Amino acid sequence: DAGITQSPRYKITETGRQVTLMCHQTWSHSYMFWYRQDLGHGLRLIYYSAAADITDKGEVPDGYVVSRSKTENFPLTLESATRSQTSVYFCASSESLGRSSTEAFFGQGTRLTVV
Amino acid sequence: DQQVKQNSPSLSVQEGRISILNCDYTNSMFDYFLWYKKYPAEGPTFLISISSIKDKNEDGRFTVFLNKSAKHLSLHIVPSQPGDSAVYFCAARGSGGSNYKLTFGKGTLLTVNP
Repeated sequence: DAGITQSPRYKITETGRQVTLMCHQTWSHSYMFWYRQDLGHGLRLIYYSAAADITDKGEVPDGYVVSRSKTENFPLTLESATRSQTSVYFCASSESLGRSSTEAFFGQGTRLTVV
Repeated sequence: DQQVKQNSPSLSVQEGRISILNCDYTNSMFDYFLWYKKYPAEGPTFLISISSIKDKNEDGRFTVFLNKSAKHLSLHIVPSQPGDSAVYFCAARGSGGSNYKLTFGKGTLLTVNP
């Protein structure tokens, strides 16, 4: 199906383990984003990407790594998970933005629990 | 420092009445503003947007107003319906090299009572 999909939807992992959250979009959008949603903080940007092999840090990048070898995929890796990374993670994508900007489309989210 | 602020964590209105959600921003480089709606266990969905060159944009029951001098925008929903109950996020985008990233507020939970 066309759209943006995240996997897994739910994940429980142990402190110190590496975990990768997957994001795949079928629109060939240039831009992709990772946000986390926490109570009292809203949506905070972790990393973003303008195109394949171009990534940049957002507001809260520490402890996360991203890659973008293909336009349609933008995986987010927690190198050594900590309890503070327990959150709901949202991936988003958008077309090239000009003056008539377009919105970002979000996936359904991955609820990650670090125990 | 929070650049997009939604100072009301929650709002409750009666069905059929107007809902007004507010958002303030501090970064004068923001030039595009969006509202997203989020239901539990779902991703945010785009609702309406406004460019900084406008002061109003309307789409059906939803209208967004922008007051650049006050760095304030608001979302009006008229008439409010129970299905509008959700968390509403205000977001802003800046101009310049990294202008494609969106900065979000903390959200306002709207409850529309039948």
